[in-house]
Amino acid sequence: KQEVTQIPAALSVPEGENLVLNCSFTDSAIYNLQWFRQDPGKGLTSLLLIQSSQREQTSGRLNASLDKSSGRSTLYIAASQPGDSATYLCAVPTQGGSEKLVFGKGTKLTVNP
Amino acid sequence: KAGVTQTPRYLIKTRGQQVTLSCSPISGHRSVSWYQQTPGQGLQFLFEYFSETQRNKGNFPGRFSGRQFSNSRSEMNVSTLELGDSALYLCASSFDRANEQFFGPGTRLTVL
Repeated sequence: KQEVTQIPAALSVPEGENLVLNCSFTDSAIYNLQWFRQDPGKGLTSLLLIQSSQREQTSGRLNASLDKSSGRSTLYIAASQPGDSATYLCAVPTQGGSEKLVFGKGTKLTVNP
Repeated sequence: KAGVTQTPRYLIKTRGQQVTLSCSPISGHRSVSWYQQTPGQGLQFLFEYFSETQRNKGNFPGRFSGRQFSNSRSEMNVSTLELGDSALYLCASSFDRANEQFFGPGTRLTVL
């Protein structure tokens, strides 16, 4: 059974700091891994999708890496801004190319001005 | 390109009633998935539809059901509402398996 863990559960940093969010999963036989952000009371916004054949994916100030063999992914946020404050979630399919995603509990990020 | 839309955005119901939520996927997407989000359990998968067929189902009681129409729009229904059904219900769409999933804004259901 696929399980996803995110550490830390909460993180507070000053504006401008570079930071790393961690995600680990128990079953390395995944097709892809997706990172999302969620603002309070809102839906999920897709940030990055990394296919199993990729090691990294970048979008603006965000960079996500994937190490299938160790069951880990990291989301790197450069030069953080107050607008980055949100909960960040990672998710993997339960099996193969299934659309059924298993989510971590998320990391709540607060960037202080 | 319009994103995933969900209606209504907010609902208040009483125990024992039933409710229907609607989701319109991104144009061209054929897969629609539903999730329940609560503070205690986080995000939990309800079911997924593809080409009007349920392809995956989560561990929820039979009171939770859904369907997909020929235009890929999907509805989910919850009958005999319980207090514990209060949650944010999220819909996601994707083109097909192993593709990026896009979520709608959610429907906030409150059961009194």
